[in-house]
Amino acid sequence: GAVVSQHPSWVICKSGTSVKIECRSLDFQATTMFWYRQFPKQSLMLMATSNEGSKATYEQGVEKDKFLINHASLTLSTLTVTSAHPEDSSFYICSASPSLRAGGAGANVLTFGAGSRLTVL
Amino acid sequence: AQSVTQLGSHVSVSEGALVLLRCNYSSSVPPYLFWYVQYPNQGLQLLLKYTSAATLVKGINGFEAEFKKSETSFHLTKPSAHMSDAAEYFCAVSEWGGYQKVTFGIGTKLQVIP
Repeated sequence: GAVVSQHPSWVICKSGTSVKIECRSLDFQATTMFWYRQFPKQSLMLMATSNEGSKATYEQGVEKDKFLINHASLTLSTLTVTSAHPEDSSFYICSASPSLRAGGAGANVLTFGAGSRLTVL
Repeated sequence: AQSVTQLGSHVSVSEGALVLLRCNYSSSVPPYLFWYVQYPNQGLQLLLKYTSAATLVKGINGFEAEFKKSETSFHLTKPSAHMSDAAEYFCAVSEWGGYQKVTFGIGTKLQVIP
């Protein structure tokens, strides 16, 4: 089945530094990937839609200059948290889906990475 | 716009008892509905999905859910809870087949009491 890998799983950084999180589709190509953020004891909130070869689409309220997304290839999207602050500490999860294939839209479902926990000191 | 409401942020059941996690949805078009499970510090794993075929959907680990359009519900059930079922469960809705933007409920934490 489809596998999405995230790296790193855990990262601790100092306030003011930047952190990059990678999301890779291991056995399929994904023209679109999604980045979610999950605060403790809360649901996942979609941050942005990452489109291969073009600019990401950010959800309302998400600072695009703060959360830089690059989708340079069909198997890799990166999220960079710039000038991180303690309030950016969170669990970041990416997801992707193989391109449409036989079976129609319902046959394809997002596969989620294991998540990356960011702690900003 | 699409949305999901999960009733009960915490549910406790005894081992061997019925598990019932409630989910109601709102969607302007026929929805695709999903249940995901999340174990601590891990990503989400798909339990099951409704894609406009059979209204009773069977998933992994003995879970199933029934789509009821008249009630706009998609409740998750399991006849007999196991200790390993303790986790957080998210109901989700998509108007795009599940391969695009998905909106999640707030989650229900399931506790299984031995």
